Amino acid sequence: NAGVTQTPKFRVLKTGQSMTLLCAQDMNHEYMYWYRQDPGMGLRLIHYSVGEGTTAKGEVPDGYNVSRLKKQNFLLGLESAAPSQTSVYFCASSYYPRDGGHQPQHFGDGTRLSIL
Amino acid sequence: AQKVTQAQTEISVVEKEDVTLDCVYETRDTTYYLFWYKQPPSGELVFLIRRNSFDEQNEISGRYSWNFQKSTSSFNFTITASQVVDSAVYFCALSEARGSTLGRLYFGRGTQLTVWP
Repeated sequence: NAGVTQTPKFRVLKTGQSMTLLCAQDMNHEYMYWYRQDPGMGLRLIHYSVGEGTTAKGEVPDGYNVSRLKKQNFLLGLESAAPSQTSVYFCASSYYPRDGGHQPQHFGDGTRLSIL
Repeated sequence: AQKVTQAQTEISVVEKEDVTLDCVYETRDTTYYLFWYKQPPSGELVFLIRRNSFDEQNEISGRYSWNFQKSTSSFNFTITASQVVDSAVYFCALSEARGSTLGRLYFGRGTQLTVWP
């Protein structure tokens, strides 16, 4: 019962390098989210997706791109990493039944990213 | 605009003490959901409770209880007889229930709870 899986768990990059964080969920959820967590700031939404092939900006989207080519995967890309992007990144997924109910988001275990 | 405020940055208690974590929220929506998540030292986020804006009943689950008051826009969390294993960062979050921003979670900055033996 995997739930939400994030890879990698840790990564160190040099300024200017690029990388992609992968989020995979096996719960057939429509909605997926990427957050970043910085000390004293809580979690802030970067980008989100309400379904395969759709993405939207969150609160702090600058410097990131995302893609949702398959329903179960949500990719977060850093084209040119900057030290300000050093953070812990969380992916989450959820669904919203037509009759309401608003289910809680299921989170992955996080990716700790350091940019030198 | 949606906003969640957790004024307590850090709280320290001794085991078996009761502790209340405060959460105040702002939203223009009449329909919304409130959540509490726990983040233990291992780093994962653990869902604790969800409350919708139409249900103001307090809830108790074991040593945990939640007090939701729309009149004061508060959703406070109490741990009774705290234990060392309760040490964690606790996040309060708000989510809209409809519209283009359905499901987006707005988090407070979290409260670090330390329970000493």
